[in-house]
Amino acid sequence: DGGITQSPKYLFRKEGQNVTLSCEQNLNHDAMYWYRQDPGQGLRLIYYSQIVNDFQKGDIAEGYSVSREKKESFPLTVTSAQKNPTAFYLCASSTTGSNIQYFGAGTRLSVL
Amino acid sequence: GIQVEQSPPDLILQEGANSTLRCNFSDSVNNLQWFHQNPWGQLINLFYIPSGTKQNGRLSATTVATERYSLLYISSSQTTDSGVYFCAVPHNAGNMLTFGGGTRLMVKP
Repeated sequence: DGGITQSPKYLFRKEGQNVTLSCEQNLNHDAMYWYRQDPGQGLRLIYYSQIVNDFQKGDIAEGYSVSREKKESFPLTVTSAQKNPTAFYLCASSTTGSNIQYFGAGTRLSVL
Repeated sequence: GIQVEQSPPDLILQEGANSTLRCNFSDSVNNLQWFHQNPWGQLINLFYIPSGTKQNGRLSATTVATERYSLLYISSSQTTDSGVYFCAVPHNAGNMLTFGGGTRLMVKP
């Protein structure tokens, strides 16, 4: 089945630790995105990538890093510099030039 | 940047009732999407509707781009319609989306 797979579904971070959230898509989409959702809120853009080996900061990039070494994969690292990482993280993808985005099932990150 | 506001923020319906959700945006856009986020967090695409009216079963959507709003209609609501409904419009540049704050819908049996 074509789609976007995020893993893990649940993740716990200890103080001072970096954690990496996985996002893989087999839709052959060029563009991928990471969003953060806080309880009762809408989605905010963290990072996006329109092509392999290139990515740009979104509205709330501080404390996060990404890489885009393969078209299918766009992992997000939540670094120790992100002081309030507890949130629901959603990955999306779209074809080049299209605003229609398709979403994965999300990862819930909590701090121990 | 563009602002997106949704109303009402919360809505409780009895099963079988109809409802209208509204999305206002602050600048002209060339597309608008409606999503449903189910209780497990999954975002499902409902409509891609830059203008005009579309229908899909019990759901329909209308966008009046010149007046900067879109409406989502839910008829004969079911408990499975519960969740959060988001509208999203393109960011100022590129393919990025700006999301509204959502309407949280609860349909009671």
